[in-house]
Order: sequence, then C-alpha cells, then structure tokens
Amino acid sequence: GQQLNQSPQSMFIQEGEDVSMNCTSSSIFNTWLWYKQDPGEGPVLLIALYKAGELTSNGRLTAQFGITRKDSFLNISASIPSDVGIYFCAGLRKETSGSRLTFGEGTQLTVNP
Amino acid sequence: DGGITQSPKYLFRKEGQNVTLSCEQNLNHDAMYWYRQDPGQGLRLIYYSQIVNDFQKGDIAEGYSVSREKKESFPLTVTSAQKNPTAFYLCASTKPRNTEAFFGQGTRLTVV
Repeated sequence: GQQLNQSPQSMFIQEGEDVSMNCTSSSIFNTWLWYKQDPGEGPVLLIALYKAGELTSNGRLTAQFGITRKDSFLNISASIPSDVGIYFCAGLRKETSGSRLTFGEGTQLTVNP
Repeated sequence: DGGITQSPKYLFRKEGQNVTLSCEQNLNHDAMYWYRQDPGQGLRLIYYSQIVNDFQKGDIAEGYSVSREKKESFPLTVTSAQKNPTAFYLCASTKPRNTEAFFGQGTRLTVV
C-alpha cells in the first residue's frame, strides 16, 4: 500500500517548548490532514490542507502542504500538558476506485510540566 | 448532533467466531472507511466505500468483510479467517468531495 513516513516517532519535551513533526511520501496527495489521538479514542481532526504551499494555523498549531504535494509538517508552539497524545498525518488521494485516505505511523508526544 | 457512532466500545469474542462491528453516520457523507490500529502503531486501511453497494479492499482486507447497503451504515465483519483479530478498530467518513475525514470513537476487539 501507499506509505507515509512520519517523523519523529516520539518526542519528549518540556512545557513551553515548540514542537515540529513532518510527513513525507513518494506519492502525491490532493489533501493533507493532521489528527490528534488520545488513548482509547478516535483521532480528532486538527488541520486540513488543500493546496500545495498552503500554510494554515489553528491556535498554537501551524501546518503546511508541501510544494511538491508529497510532504507536510505540523508545528505546535508553546506546548502545554494537554498536548500529550499521538499525532497523525494523513494524505487523501483520488484514485480510479475512489478517494483513499492513508495515514502516517504517528508521533507520540510527551510534555513534561 | 451529527456524527459517527461505533458500537460497541468494547467487544470480546472467542477464537473462531465471526463478529460484526457497527459504524453509523448521520453526516450525509458519501465515503466511509475502516482502519485497524495495533498498540503503538498507525492506522492501516481495511476497506473503504465511496458509494452505496460499492466498496474496495484496503491494505489489509484479508479476513475481513464489509457491506454498504445504506449510505449511513458500513458494518465490518471480522471473520474466523483473520489470524490476529485483537485490535482497535476505527471507522471514518469523509465530506462530499472527499476532503476532511471524521472518526468514530473506535471499538476495541479482544479475541480470547
């Protein structure tokens, strides 16, 4: 299947620090999505990106859709304890069989107070 | 309120039994997806459906089956052919024109 390479796999930071994570792929995507998942829950959509080069913010979160359409990054500024969780990137690509949503492996974020 | 509902939240089954996980949405979304998540890992696509009465295999479809008789419903059956069925299962749907995807709360299946 399609692969999205997400890095880093895990991060341990102090409260107040900024965080950056990214996803890359060998395939082009039409849409990039970033999600956060709390333990035992479904992922919650944080940011959606629709155009190459697009830079979008949602509070302390900022994400960009790479110019090549094969990558995206997510930044979290001034982290707080409730930012703890797993962050996933996802790429949506239109195929002949319909649109297919592929996920990265996730970045586990731990924030120390 | 509109949303995606997965039921049950927790499910226990004996090895060799088929089990069906429910996914219902009232968002009027066309596309629906099933993912499997194992501890510490990402989401792997099992099946997806763009319209009623049509669905496609994902990356790990073996041992699973689905149906899409209604737009609102996309049940997943975990069959006895699935070698390692214990996992967290997530259902998602996407808005018209297939942009943002929204998830249910998941079903944790344990096979004993």
